[in-house]
Amino acid sequence: DAGVIQSPRHEVTEMGQEVTLRCKPISGHDYLFWYRQTMMRGLELLIYFNNNVPIDDSGMPEDRFSAKMPNASFSTLKIQPSEPRDSAVYFCASTRLGSNYGYTFGSGTRLTVV
Amino acid sequence: QKEVEQNSGPLSVPEGAIASLNCTYSDRGSQSFFWYRQYSGKSPELIMFIYSNGDKEDGRFTAQLNKASQYVSLLIRDSQPSDSATYLCAVNGRGNNRLAFGKGNQVVVIP
Repeated sequence: DAGVIQSPRHEVTEMGQEVTLRCKPISGHDYLFWYRQTMMRGLELLIYFNNNVPIDDSGMPEDRFSAKMPNASFSTLKIQPSEPRDSAVYFCASTRLGSNYGYTFGSGTRLTVV
Repeated sequence: QKEVEQNSGPLSVPEGAIASLNCTYSDRGSQSFFWYRQYSGKSPELIMFIYSNGDKEDGRFTAQLNKASQYVSLLIRDSQPSDSATYLCAVNGRGNNRLAFGKGNQVVVIP
């Protein structure tokens, strides 16, 4: 298995532009999570899906952030418009049967908004 | 109160010594506890999980759980330079499927 695949690995964009991050979970995993990591705040859960349905989006910082999971093998996290404070590493993770078994993380997308 | 707290600063240990990391959590109903290792610039990787009170050993790693005191710890025996990383504690609450993470503790093993 190729693991959780995220793209792009790095993204540099100008303030105000739209940014789309992509994730392909491990096949057979029915939970998908989007986290953001910064030095100040650590790993923060943004949103998670179960069987492609958003379950908890209370961590999404504001309406500029949106996430979709159109099918079991693909999810996107979109920021529109982007701001410098959105600069962080964004991780996607997946698991089977819930988090009692831990997550497998993707390699992350390092986002820099200038 | 934060859900998961790891308050210790960077930990420097000589090669071959024991590194000890601690973590406390706020939800008394938490059921599953994890330790992740994260190398600089890399993603977190799961190294240990524990569900029951007591100790769980896996190679040079031992996880300890005390639900009454709401803490979980990680011991790394015979520390190696390759153990130099940030260690993240994660807790799964009762009735939900999300993990809350601590901010992590950096471990530096000095040859």
